[in-house]
Amino acid sequence: EDKVVQSPLSLVVHEGDTVTLNCSYEVTNFRSLLWYKQEKKAPTFLFMLTSSGIEKKSGRLSSILDKKELFSILNITATQTGDSAIYLCAVGGSQGNLIFGKGTKLSVKP
Amino acid sequence: NAGVTQTPKFQVLKTGQSMTLQCAQDMNHNSMYWYRQDPGMGLRLIYYSASEGTTDKGEVPNGYNVSRLNKREFSLRLESAAPSQTSVYFCASTPTRGRSGYGYTFGSGTRLTVV
Repeated sequence: EDKVVQSPLSLVVHEGDTVTLNCSYEVTNFRSLLWYKQEKKAPTFLFMLTSSGIEKKSGRLSSILDKKELFSILNITATQTGDSAIYLCAVGGSQGNLIFGKGTKLSVKP
Repeated sequence: NAGVTQTPKFQVLKTGQSMTLQCAQDMNHNSMYWYRQDPGMGLRLIYYSASEGTTDKGEVPNGYNVSRLNKREFSLRLESAAPSQTSVYFCASTPTRGRSGYGYTFGSGTRLTVV
């Protein structure tokens, strides 16, 4: 059975801290891994990773995929209160559907 | 603005009532999806439509039916609502189902409460 496991499920940090969110997966015919940020409404796209060892960066956020060990990490440096959200990891298999993890709820305190 | 539009945004139903959640996209995408999101559970796939005229069950299809009315519209129907269907429902679309994750676009969600 395909599955995606995120850890931790929740995390509280202070502004300026650096955080690392984890995502491990077991998916038949892996094609891609995606990270989303979800605040009040729909998930918004952050990164899509398909190749192992290549870091994707966007400002203070970065992510990398390890296809051998079947995991990905999402790093956020110099966190801000606006980073408070649920971060979702999803994996796409050959069937075309996305399988989501339960998410990590990040709270950034002033 | 181009994207995925869901209606209604909020709904309260009594147990046993029926309703249809509407979803429409204007990006000429072939594939459309319905997910539900419960606290601490991530998003779980209810049904999907790989292309116009086809629908398939996802992870949690029980209690739901879908209709792919045309290429733009994909509706989700609850025939007899139950409290266990209280959730936030998201519709999504992609250009094509084969390229996993590419161009995935979500609607803003429907918050449904069944009392």
